Amino acid sequence: GAVVSQHPSWVICKSGTSVKIECRSLDFQATTMFWYRQFPKQSLMLMATSNEGSKATYEQGVEKDKFLINHASLTLSTLTVTSAHPEDSSFYICSAPSTSGRNEQYFGPGTRLTVT
Amino acid sequence: GESVGLHLPTLSVQEGDNSIINCAYSNSASDYFIWYKQESGKGPQFIIDIRSNMDKRQGQRVTVLLNKTVKHLSLQIAATQPGDSAVYFCAETFGSNDYKLSFGAGTTVTVRA
Repeated sequence: GAVVSQHPSWVICKSGTSVKIECRSLDFQATTMFWYRQFPKQSLMLMATSNEGSKATYEQGVEKDKFLINHASLTLSTLTVTSAHPEDSSFYICSAPSTSGRNEQYFGPGTRLTVT
Repeated sequence: GESVGLHLPTLSVQEGDNSIINCAYSNSASDYFIWYKQESGKGPQFIIDIRSNMDKRQGQRVTVLLNKTVKHLSLQIAATQPGDSAVYFCAETFGSNDYKLSFGAGTTVTVRA
């Protein structure tokens, strides 16, 4: 089946620095990808919709200047957390819709970000 | 705003028994529902889905029931196995975009041996 990968799987960074998370569709093309954030013992919250070749669409309350999204190719979307702070520590998950005609999304394995 | 929610946060079930996980949704315009399983430290895994024009759908060991009258969704797992231990989320979409998901709070299922 279709696979979505994320890199890195976990990252620790210092407060004030930026960190980039990659989301790749490995055997299919994805013109749209989604980025979610999940705090411990909580649900997934949609942050933004990443659109290949155009600007991302952010959900209400998500700072676009803090969470930079780039979708430069049909298989790669990146999320950069700029000037990270401890409250940004979370599990970040991306997803891409199926291209098989089924209404499914394929989720990446997630990236655990810890800001110290 | 409107969102999908869960009735119970945790469920403990004896191995071999059937599990029932419930979900309440508030958006009457929602027309597509999905159940996901998430194991610790991993991304969600698709289990089963159902459209609003159906009230029941069966998969392998799983059944999803949809009651639009009371806006209630349930996932039944038959003969629960240790590998079923995970957090289960229901999610909904509405309108023309089937991919923009709104997730419920999640139910943690623990299977007792």
